[in-house]
Amino acid sequence: AQSVTQLGSHVSVSEGALVLLRCNYSSSVPPYLFWYVQYPNQGLQLLLKYTTGATLVKGINGFEAEFKKSETSFHLTKPSAHMSDAAEYFCAVRTNAGNMLTFGGGTRLMVKP
Amino acid sequence: NAGVTQTPKFRVLKTGQSMTLLCAQDMNHEYMYWYRQDPGMGLRLIHYSVGEGTTAKGEVPDGYNVSRLKKQNFLLGLESAAPSQTSVYFCASSYSGRGQYFGPGTRLTVT
Repeated sequence: AQSVTQLGSHVSVSEGALVLLRCNYSSSVPPYLFWYVQYPNQGLQLLLKYTTGATLVKGINGFEAEFKKSETSFHLTKPSAHMSDAAEYFCAVRTNAGNMLTFGGGTRLMVKP
Repeated sequence: NAGVTQTPKFRVLKTGQSMTLLCAQDMNHEYMYWYRQDPGMGLRLIHYSVGEGTTAKGEVPDGYNVSRLKKQNFLLGLESAAPSQTSVYFCASSYSGRGQYFGPGTRLTVT
């Protein structure tokens, strides 16, 4: 069975600082991995995804993530935080059946001026 | 394209009442899903569909029913609402192997 663990339910950074949101997964098959962002009172928006190929994946809004099979990790990074990045971020792994996703518990990113 | 839309956006029900949430997508996606989101628990899959006329149970299906009579629509029903069903409900759709596209959500309160 697949599972996703996001370390840190809340992360606070200063504007301009590095953003690092951690995601570890378990999967019995080669995983497809996703990061979503949720702004207040909105639905989830796809930030980026890893399916196959290049392990460093670039997404929208300057975010990127690196798939590390040996560490079963898919951490999300952004070199310089912006106030508009404040949101909740969800990591997810795709199961085989019905293209379903298993989500982590989410990490709320706060950006201080 | 409107993407994924959900109706209604907000609803308040009394315990025991019934209601149907409508999800519509205009991307010709085969797969559709209903999730609920509760504080500290992330998103949990209620039911899903892999094509028109098919449905299957997810992680938390009790108290809910679904139907997919048309490819573009996926309905979520609550036959007898309970306070434990107070939540934010999200619909999503996808192609196989791609990420899921989410609707804006329905905030349901059961009193």
